[in-house]
Amino acid sequence: GAVVSQHPSRVICKSGTSVKIECRSLDFQATTMFWYRQFPKQSLMLMATSNEGSKATYEQGVEKDKFLINHASLTLSTLTVTSAHPEDSSFYICSAPRGTETQYFGPGTRLLVL
Amino acid sequence: RKEVEQDPGPFNVPEGATVAFNCTYSNSASQSFFWYRQDCRKEPKLLMSVYSSGNEDGRFTAQLNRASQYISLLIRDSKLSDSATYLCVGSGGGADGLTFGKGTHLIIQP
Repeated sequence: GAVVSQHPSRVICKSGTSVKIECRSLDFQATTMFWYRQFPKQSLMLMATSNEGSKATYEQGVEKDKFLINHASLTLSTLTVTSAHPEDSSFYICSAPRGTETQYFGPGTRLLVL
Repeated sequence: RKEVEQDPGPFNVPEGATVAFNCTYSNSASQSFFWYRQDCRKEPKLLMSVYSSGNEDGRFTAQLNRASQYISLLIRDSKLSDSATYLCVGSGGGADGLTFGKGTHLIIQP
């Protein structure tokens, strides 16, 4: 069964609005979670590392004021796309490492900004 | 700069054939490598880890060559259900983010 959930799975919004995406680890605690973005026919690109109890670390070129990350608890990280624009339309996926195993991915959130 | 390079394909292969993918990585500090499978419009799912000693799981065999910074995946007796995009992935290890290749698109034809 799924070990990481994401909500919503799909969202359509108007340009200028903000969208919040939740990522939850199920049955395990994750002090670290990762947020990726995938444009059509492109690879997944790491956007940021979400750290429970401290600030997220962002990859080069990712605007921290636009993509707000909050790691509220050991099982929940949220990504808020602020003032979304059509170029933010993408597939957003979170992942969480469980122990020493590799990472488990959420099912992804497909964002379409009109 | 972390990079993982793959041939994007597509690889069109008849059912039952053997197919091999390769990828190269540029970050010699990468510690762990994986092959993920991603179906259309879905999240990637771990297929197998890659070790220098080789790793075999049923019809799938993965190999890591650290000297050449080269990773391979071999699929024997391919099935229609093997059609997907195969992502070569590197990691600094532990709680590091993953670096993905762009993926190799495989199409198994009946």
